[in-house]
Amino acid sequence: AQSVTQLGSHVSVSEGALVLLRCNYSSSVPPYLFWYVQYPNQGLQLLLKYTSAATLVKGINGFEAEFKKSETSFHLTKPSAHMSDAAEYFCAVSKFQGAQKLVFGQGTRLTINP
Amino acid sequence: DADVTQTPRNRITKTGKRIMLECSQTKGHDRMYWYRQDPGLGLRLIYYSFDVKDINKGEISDGYSVSRQAQAKFSLSLESAIPNQTALYFCATGTGSNQPQHFGDGTRLSIL
Repeated sequence: AQSVTQLGSHVSVSEGALVLLRCNYSSSVPPYLFWYVQYPNQGLQLLLKYTSAATLVKGINGFEAEFKKSETSFHLTKPSAHMSDAAEYFCAVSKFQGAQKLVFGQGTRLTINP
Repeated sequence: DADVTQTPRNRITKTGKRIMLECSQTKGHDRMYWYRQDPGLGLRLIYYSFDVKDINKGEISDGYSVSRQAQAKFSLSLESAIPNQTALYFCATGTGSNQPQHFGDGTRLSIL
């Protein structure tokens, strides 16, 4: 069975600082991995996805994530935080084959301090 | 206009009432999903459908039912609502395992 663990339910960084949101997955088959962002009172928007091509994936708004098979990780980073990055972030895993069912992590709320 | 539209956006109701949440999409996707979001638990899959004649239970289907009225419409029902079904509900659409799902803006449901 697939699962996703996001380390840290709340992360707080200063504006301009590095953002690092951690995601570890378990999957018995090669996975597809996604990061979504949720702004207040909105649905989830795709930030980026890993689908077995390049291991370093670039997404929208300056975010990127690196797939590390040996560490079963897919951490999300952004070099310099902006106030508009304050939101909740979800990591999700989908099977390479078969039914497209996303399994989500519990989410990480990112706060940006001025 | 939104690609995935959920109605209502907010609903407050009483224990024991029947509730229907509706979802429609203009993306032309075959696959549709219902999730619920609870603080600290992320999103959990309730039901999903790969076409009009295909309905599948997710990890937390007890107490819920769905109907896929057309390719573009997928509704979620709570036959007899209970307070622990208070949550934020999302509808999503998709096309395949390697493609992202597209989410509506959610329905905030409160059961008193």
